[in-house]
Amino acid sequence: SQTIHQWPATLVQPVGSPLSLECTVEGTSNPNLYWYRQAAGRGLQLLFYSVGIGQISSEVPQNLSASRPQDRQFILSSKKLLLSDSGFYLCAWSLTERSYNSPLHFGNGTRLTVT
Amino acid sequence: GNSVTQMEGPVTLSEEAFLTINCTYTATGYPSLFWYVQYPGEGLQLLLKATKADDKGSNKGFEATYRKETTSFHLEKGSVQVSDSAVYFCALSDQRTGRRALTFGSGTRLQVQP
Repeated sequence: SQTIHQWPATLVQPVGSPLSLECTVEGTSNPNLYWYRQAAGRGLQLLFYSVGIGQISSEVPQNLSASRPQDRQFILSSKKLLLSDSGFYLCAWSLTERSYNSPLHFGNGTRLTVT
Repeated sequence: GNSVTQMEGPVTLSEEAFLTINCTYTATGYPSLFWYVQYPGEGLQLLLKATKADDKGSNKGFEATYRKETTSFHLEKGSVQVSDSAVYFCALSDQRTGRRALTFGSGTRLQVQP
């Protein structure tokens, strides 16, 4: 069966520090991969998605970047965090085939607090 | 562009009450529709889905029917339990946009009291 791992679970970082969140998927090949952010009391905002190694689509201009160095690894990064980067970050995967009907499968999320 | 509108919460119900959470959507084509549930401190879990008009998705006593004429996908449950307390998200995926990602509503918090 497929599993998704996301870490760390919680993170407190000062303003201006770098960020690296990692997500890996097991049990499937060539998945679509996603990063969403959930601000406090709000819905989910799509940040990035990837349909293959090295292929990243960015949804909104921002202080963050994403990379996919391996088929089942997706990394969210920042060189200098802002207070507004605080939130709950969720990684997800879906099947490539019939991807428009395929549901997303989410990790347990990383709660980031920028102080 | 595509969008999903959900009723604002929190929705507070007593155990065994009937639940309806409204969801309407705007999309360019014929989207697939989903309901997700998020328990405190966790990621989202797929609850149910429907891929074409008049389809009914169901799971764990929850149901939602894809209504193309009213562009709606309301979530219902006949008798809620305390364990159903969570945030519920409606979402859509629209092949015509070529965007292989779901568009989510803002979520509706459900609180069930014993």
